[in-house]
Amino acid sequence: ILNVEQSPQSLHVQEGDSTNFTCSFPSSNFYALHWYRWETAKSPEALFVMTLNGDEKKKGRISATLNTKEGYSYLYIKGSQPEDSATYLCAFRITGNQFYFGTGTSLTVIP
Amino acid sequence: DAMVIQNPRYQVTQFGKPVTLSCSQTLNHNVMYWYQQKSSQAPKLLFHYYDKDFNNEADTPDNFQSRRPNTSFCFLDIRSPGLGDAAMYLCATSRAGEGRDTQYFGPGTRLTVL
Repeated sequence: ILNVEQSPQSLHVQEGDSTNFTCSFPSSNFYALHWYRWETAKSPEALFVMTLNGDEKKKGRISATLNTKEGYSYLYIKGSQPEDSATYLCAFRITGNQFYFGTGTSLTVIP
Repeated sequence: DAMVIQNPRYQVTQFGKPVTLSCSQTLNHNVMYWYQQKSSQAPKLLFHYYDKDFNNEADTPDNFQSRRPNTSFCFLDIRSPGLGDAAMYLCATSRAGEGRDTQYFGPGTRLTVL
């Protein structure tokens, strides 16, 4: 079993604050790193798929970076809004359709 | 809209009573996955189908079985649920090779075992 760690476990920020969290994964056998957003009572939604060392992806106010050599990815949210409140999951992918998820970071944005 | 549907959203069963969870998709994806997520833990892959080929994770208990009668449907059978099987069960689909297999998830079925 591969260990994927996410930190912090939970986070409360004020509306308008920028925030970031971390996903750490093994640096060997890397194939891809996926980020998902999971709002309560909804389906997890894909945010980014990252494959190359140094990758940076952006979607609106959310962006992510990837360092495969040291085994981490950062997710950034600029100017947090209440609708950003969700659990953010990362998943480390090796070949063979095997995905290893972290426990997630629960973000609450306070209006 | 094309989507992944899971029924029911909430399932209550009794200790030892077989239960089946269902997943359907309109995305025509060739890969379907079942995950188990226990409280405060990471989603854990139980098994997946690549087309008709079944792939079981090494540590998935024998109590868990799956069927995929066609592209659109996949079932998770728990033959004799124990209290430790209470969890959220997530179904996901992907198209092999597309977007490094970005997964599309259903909303999950929360299983309670009494």
